[in-house]
Amino acid sequence: GAGVSQTPSNKVTEKGKYVELRCDPISGHTALYWYRQSLGQGPEFLIYFQGTGAADDSGLPNDRFFAVRPEGSVSTLKIQRTERGDSAVYLCASSPRQGGYNEQFFGPGTRLTVL
Amino acid sequence: GENVEQHPSTLSVQEGDSAVIKCTYSDSASNYFPWYKQELGKRPQLIIDIRSNVGEKKDQRIAVTLNKTAKHFSLHITETQPEDSAVYFCAATPYNFNKFYFGSGTKLNVKP
Repeated sequence: GAGVSQTPSNKVTEKGKYVELRCDPISGHTALYWYRQSLGQGPEFLIYFQGTGAADDSGLPNDRFFAVRPEGSVSTLKIQRTERGDSAVYLCASSPRQGGYNEQFFGPGTRLTVL
Repeated sequence: GENVEQHPSTLSVQEGDSAVIKCTYSDSASNYFPWYKQELGKRPQLIIDIRSNVGEKKDQRIAVTLNKTAKHFSLHITETQPEDSAVYFCAATPYNFNKFYFGSGTKLNVKP
């Protein structure tokens, strides 16, 4: 079946602009995660959804970052007033249910470049 | 929170040799340890995982060992092949948590 998909694959924007990054999880997966991966580093947790609600947003770096999942499927990560330090690959992952020994299936990521 | 450290950052081996990547973690509550392989420009993919109730798990040429007392776990790849070349990430998480804490990655280069 189809895996996790993310759009766009690449996004170039100017400092101060607003961007939206989209994630389509595997059908039926109730848990959805956003990570940020800087060059040469491992993925860093941002936020986790169980269904429609954000169960843990402790990884969001500041209030310029926000994410939604209004219908419990597709999620959008929103970044306001982008800064050059926001440049990274943003990864989305999903898993069948919360907690437990569950594999997280990753999408291909969106490479965000802030000029 | 959990802190996962991974070594080495780069590893170069000859085809057919073994490769070992080591990770340490700080939170004794962590009890699930997945390993992901990420090829250049591709998504991370799970290759093997281990739960805290076992000390070793093997899947063909890949094995993972866990020492809960010392809080470290290792990935072992035997008979390496050029297609094993990639970046490998370890991760740790407590059972009821829903976020993985990743190491910084090991770039493995298998020379033919």
